[in-house]
Amino acid sequence: DSGVTQTPKHLITATGQRVTLRCSPRSGDLSVYWYQQSLDQGLQFLIQYYNGEERAKGNILERFSAQQFPDLHSELNLSSLELGDSALYFCASSVSYFPINVNTEAFFGQGTRLTVV
Amino acid sequence: GQQLNQSPQSMFIQEGEDVSMNCTSSSIFNTWLWYKQDPGEGPVLLIALYKAGELTSNGRLTAQFGITRKDSFLNISASIPSDVGIYFCAGRVVVTNNDMRFGAGTRLTVKP
Repeated sequence: DSGVTQTPKHLITATGQRVTLRCSPRSGDLSVYWYQQSLDQGLQFLIQYYNGEERAKGNILERFSAQQFPDLHSELNLSSLELGDSALYFCASSVSYFPINVNTEAFFGQGTRLTVV
Repeated sequence: GQQLNQSPQSMFIQEGEDVSMNCTSSSIFNTWLWYKQDPGEGPVLLIALYKAGELTSNGRLTAQFGITRKDSFLNISASIPSDVGIYFCAGRVVVTNNDMRFGAGTRLTVKP
């Protein structure tokens, strides 16, 4: 158990809908990251937050948004869902602003499997 | 963006055999990481490498950060059934965030 909690574990929804994925980081971690893992694209970095502020952006679509709340949990909002958005969405957390050694690298949650039908 | 080429795609080996997999890129990375992912789980960090030429071990696992900073390999010695899973390499260009590029993975099957 990495200590990173993601809910829900599974989500099935229809095209055009909007969903919210939730992540609770490990106790004491200030950074939260979101990744998408799909069969054809592999694992892709979406976005990073540190202590409530957006820190880095990757290949995140405009239909997707995220935020980190004062209690440090994070939510990833996916809207106007398309079939191609079906994927595993992972949250990871780390203690630091950026990793400098193995002890400050991120730990991944178990993921949320999103299926868009 | 920076592409990582990971090979082989899959490996079928006998228990006790050694395994080698690698990642190459046309771009330079400042950090190389190796992860293992079991079904239904998130990636788990195995080894992190921060300097060109660095060779690091974690039990039966050994990984190296290539001198050119464009490649890395992972060796697993004396494989056991619980080594089964998908192994991913990841490279990080900028050390000030966690924007990592992942390889496509090597699926390892170990026959008892």
